[in-house]
Amino acid sequence: QQQVKQSPQSLIVQKGGISIINCAYENTAFDYFPWYQQFPGKGPALLIAIRPDVSEKKEGRFTISFNKSAKQFSLHIMDSQPGDSATYFCAASMGMTGNQFYFGTGTSLTVIP
Amino acid sequence: GAVVSQHPSRVICKSGTSVKIECRSLDFQATTMFWYRQFPKQSLMLMATSNEGSKATYEQGVEKDKFLINHASLTLSTLTVTSAHPEDSSFYICSARSRTGGAPLHFGNGTRLTVT
Repeated sequence: QQQVKQSPQSLIVQKGGISIINCAYENTAFDYFPWYQQFPGKGPALLIAIRPDVSEKKEGRFTISFNKSAKQFSLHIMDSQPGDSATYFCAASMGMTGNQFYFGTGTSLTVIP
Repeated sequence: GAVVSQHPSRVICKSGTSVKIECRSLDFQATTMFWYRQFPKQSLMLMATSNEGSKATYEQGVEKDKFLINHASLTLSTLTVTSAHPEDSSFYICSARSRTGGAPLHFGNGTRLTVT
């Protein structure tokens, strides 16, 4: 059973555009939601994370929007650049110290120059 | 920031041999390390949770006798793929979290295993 559902599977965006990736979860015990960025042949790198006590968190061009009632969260990449082309994974866990991280299925983002 | 080093980055071995992959936390102590397997264009599949000084906890369907995990110190965990077969070819990634807690998960750069 997929604990975290992610969409779309792939995304193509023009340079300068906004990339939006969505995730949904069922387990209301989740309270830590990170996003990871993975380049080919590399391990995932933490990009940004949010806790459900806030509805939005912004770090540079990256923003997480969180809707607790809908059990959904999304990653917005503003002014997308070719260097942002990578695979993005959302994840959820029960607290930052929770042992089990549940990952989404990933979104392959391609930013066209 | 926290750094997790994984070695080797690539390994090719013959069927029937064993391969050891190391995962080190370079600037923090990790009581818990995680081992994942990733198939092309797919998500990360948790294989096992490695706890320092105790036996690893394996996920359902993962053969513990085939994938031996040792977490001998707070900075080192190893995954040994024993009697490797071509179907074991995959991308293996480790991750770790600081023992102080409240810290996010940091990943190594992965190991591409090819069994011929």
